[in-house]
Amino acid sequence: GENVEQHPSTLSVQEGDSAVIKCTYSDSASNYFPWYKQELGKGPQLIIDIRSNVGEKKDQRIAVTLNKTAKHFSLHITETQPEDSAVYFCAASIGGYQKVTFGIGTKLQVIP
Amino acid sequence: DGGITQSPKYLFRKEGQNVTLSCEQNLNHDAMYWYRQDPGQGLRLIYYSQIVNDFQKGDIAEGYSVSREKKESFPLTVTSAQKNPTAFYLCASSIQGQNQPQHFGDGTRLSIL
Repeated sequence: GENVEQHPSTLSVQEGDSAVIKCTYSDSASNYFPWYKQELGKGPQLIIDIRSNVGEKKDQRIAVTLNKTAKHFSLHITETQPEDSAVYFCAASIGGYQKVTFGIGTKLQVIP
Repeated sequence: DGGITQSPKYLFRKEGQNVTLSCEQNLNHDAMYWYRQDPGQGLRLIYYSQIVNDFQKGDIAEGYSVSREKKESFPLTVTSAQKNPTAFYLCASSIQGQNQPQHFGDGTRLSIL
């Protein structure tokens, strides 16, 4: 089955700096890659997603890049703010309801 | 506002007891899911349902059961057969179709007394 590896597991950045989280996947059939943000005691919230026919997608301070040849995708957060502190999960989906595989998460701490 | 409501937020189970976690959504989504989250691990799929009166096992279904009698509701029962039930349980829903984003509730934390 699909295997998603995510790193780093923890990341500390100074407020205003950029943060990058990287994920790799194993199944070349995967074609949908969502990213979720989870705050303490809450459920994950979708922050951005990308499909395999697109190489990059931006939404204000957040961007995701996808390299299908290398089977990796990354989340980029620019001008980080303290409210960006949370756990971020990447995921990969082949398609179909049961085939969403999540990474183990990255705990991001933005230091004011 | 539309969303997913999970209850209770905290739940305690005694040895040998079955407990049921509630999940209700008013997003008019056809598909619903249950995940288990353990510290340092990603989300693992327990069960999912694409439509009323139909559901399928996920990766870790042993010791769990579900029902889907209404579109809005997808309760999860943690049975006494689940020997390590302490975890954070998340319910999600999505519209039908491939690669649709899932919307999550705020979870139920289950602990053993």
